[in-house]
Formats: sequence, C-alpha cells, structure tokens
Amino acid sequence: AQKVTQAQTEISVVEKEDVTLDCVYETRDTTYYLFWYKQPPSGELVFLIRRNSFDEQNEISGRYSWNFQKSTSSFNFTITASQVVDSAVYFCALSEWKLTFGTGTRLTIIP
Amino acid sequence: DTGVSQNPRHKITKRGQNVTFRCDPISEHNRLYWYRQTLGQGPEFLTYFQNEAQLEKSRLLSDRFSAERPKGSFSTLEIQRTEQGDSAMYLCASSFKVNEQFFGPGTRLTVL
Repeated sequence: AQKVTQAQTEISVVEKEDVTLDCVYETRDTTYYLFWYKQPPSGELVFLIRRNSFDEQNEISGRYSWNFQKSTSSFNFTITASQVVDSAVYFCALSEWKLTFGTGTRLTIIP
Repeated sequence: DTGVSQNPRHKITKRGQNVTFRCDPISEHNRLYWYRQTLGQGPEFLTYFQNEAQLEKSRLLSDRFSAERPKGSFSTLEIQRTEQGDSAMYLCASSFKVNEQFFGPGTRLTVL
C-alpha cells in the first residue's frame, strides 16, 4: 500500500525566512510520481510540481525548490525568502494512477 | 474559464436528506476522479471514471454513495440519507494523461 507522511503539522516562520516542508513516502512500485500541491484558504488545490521516480534531479522554480532523494524516500520542498502569500496548507502526494495524499503541513508566514 | 468546475460550491443539508454534486471536467479529459477531504486531512480517493466507465471505487464509498458519468462528460456524485460524518469537501479532478490531475474548487458539504 502507498503512504505519504508529512510529520510537520504546522510551521510558522517570519517573513523572508527560508522554510522546508518534509515529505516521506512508501511504495512498492518502481515507477511512480510525486507531487506537491498548495491549498490556500479558498480551498482549491493548486498544482506546484510533479516528479517521476526516475528523475532525481533537484528542481528550482523561482523561490521554490524541491529535493528528491530516492534513497531516503523523501521529496522535500523549500521556500526561500518566504512571503505572506505563501501561507497555506501544503500537501505532498504519491501516485500510481490515483493520488495518495499526506495529511498536509499548515504554513503560516508572519509579517 | 476552461478549468474543472464544480457545483454547488457550498451545500448545507439536514441529516437524512439526499444531495447531489456536479463536476464538469476540462474538455476532452477522459479521466475523472472524486476525492473527499475532511477537516485537517488530505484528500482521499473515492472513485475513478475513464470515459463513462467507473473503473475503481474506494471502500470509503459506502452504499449510500453513487457516482455517474453519463456519456463520459460531466459527473455527478449523490449521497443518500446523509449523515453528519459526510460533512467534508468533495473534490473533483480530471486528466487526459495518467498522473496529471487538475482539480476543481470543490463542493463543501455541511450536514446538520
């Protein structure tokens, strides 16, 4: 069975600080995809990134970066120079064909 | 707007009533998914359609739940004899490719 663990329930940082959200996953599949979604207070899930299991290169998109380490089954997400607009719940998810989500990390950026 | 749409956005009902939600996927997306998200949790998979065929149902989908996708276009999710435990956000997603799901804004159900 697939499982995603986001051990950090809530994180608060002061604006402009860097913050890393942790994600650990379990799967028996050799081919899978990992995702991060952002859920602002409005409730809609906003897609941030998709990474397949064969691509372990780290990725950077503006202030966002992702570190995929297959050896530790982790797919961590870092926000650099955080902003108040980054405040949201962030979900990590694992996919064979349906998505299995973690319980989310509520991130609060303090002005 | 060409994204996934869901109606209604909010629904308040009394326990025991039936409710129906609608999801309109992105045009030409042949795959459609329903998820349920309770407070403080991540979304959980409910059911999956490929075109009009319902190919997978979670054990979370009790006999009171039924989903359809007539003609492989929009989908409806009906809950009969609602219970307070059904209160949640119901999310719909669609995709053309596997592993590329686009989510709608969700329908928030409150059962009194």
